[in-house]
Amino acid sequence: TQLLEQSPQFLSIQEGENLTVYCNSSSVFSSLQWYRQEPGEGPVLLVTVVTGGEVKKLKRLTFQFGDARKDSSLHITAAQPGDTGLYLCAARNTGGFKTIFGAGTRLFVKA
Amino acid sequence: DAGVIQSPRHEVTEMGQEVTLRCKPISGHDYLFWYRQTMMRGLELLIYFNNNVPIDDSGMPEDRFSAKMPNASFSTLKIQPSEPRDSAVYFCASSFRSGGFPGNTIYFGEGSWLTVV
Repeated sequence: TQLLEQSPQFLSIQEGENLTVYCNSSSVFSSLQWYRQEPGEGPVLLVTVVTGGEVKKLKRLTFQFGDARKDSSLHITAAQPGDTGLYLCAARNTGGFKTIFGAGTRLFVKA
Repeated sequence: DAGVIQSPRHEVTEMGQEVTLRCKPISGHDYLFWYRQTMMRGLELLIYFNNNVPIDDSGMPEDRFSAKMPNASFSTLKIQPSEPRDSAVYFCASSFRSGGFPGNTIYFGEGSWLTVV
């Protein structure tokens, strides 16, 4: 069974702080995605990374895919209360379309 | 554009009753997924379809669960009989495979909140 482990499970920080959350696995994936979920809604895609070592930036968010395509990180600079939510990583194995999700990191940014 | 539409949004039912959750995927999408989300287990893939055909149902917890996709615009997830441990948010999601790109976006509905008492 392929598993995605996310850490930390929960993070509570002050507005303006930086943070990094991680997504790790022992398996190699063809792509890895990060989603954000707000209460009462479904997850919404933030970014997709497909190349080992790839770095993508989305405003204050920086995403990195590990060289071996087994892990990823999400770094948020100067967090804001609007960043509060559940951050989920998702991965798809090579040649397939089955997409599994990590348990998520629940982020709370205090004003 | 309409997103993935799920119904009902909320359902409370008694143990032993049949529950049917419904989903209309985004038009033109050829993949449909059913996920279940709980605090304890996170977001679990139950089953997914490609062009209305079930491809992987290894996540379906037991025989009490069944899913169908009679056409490209409709799918159901049925639980019969329901049990309290089935209480969760059930998400339907759809996607479109564009060429060989491995990272197509999965679009989620707002979820069906099921409580079995």
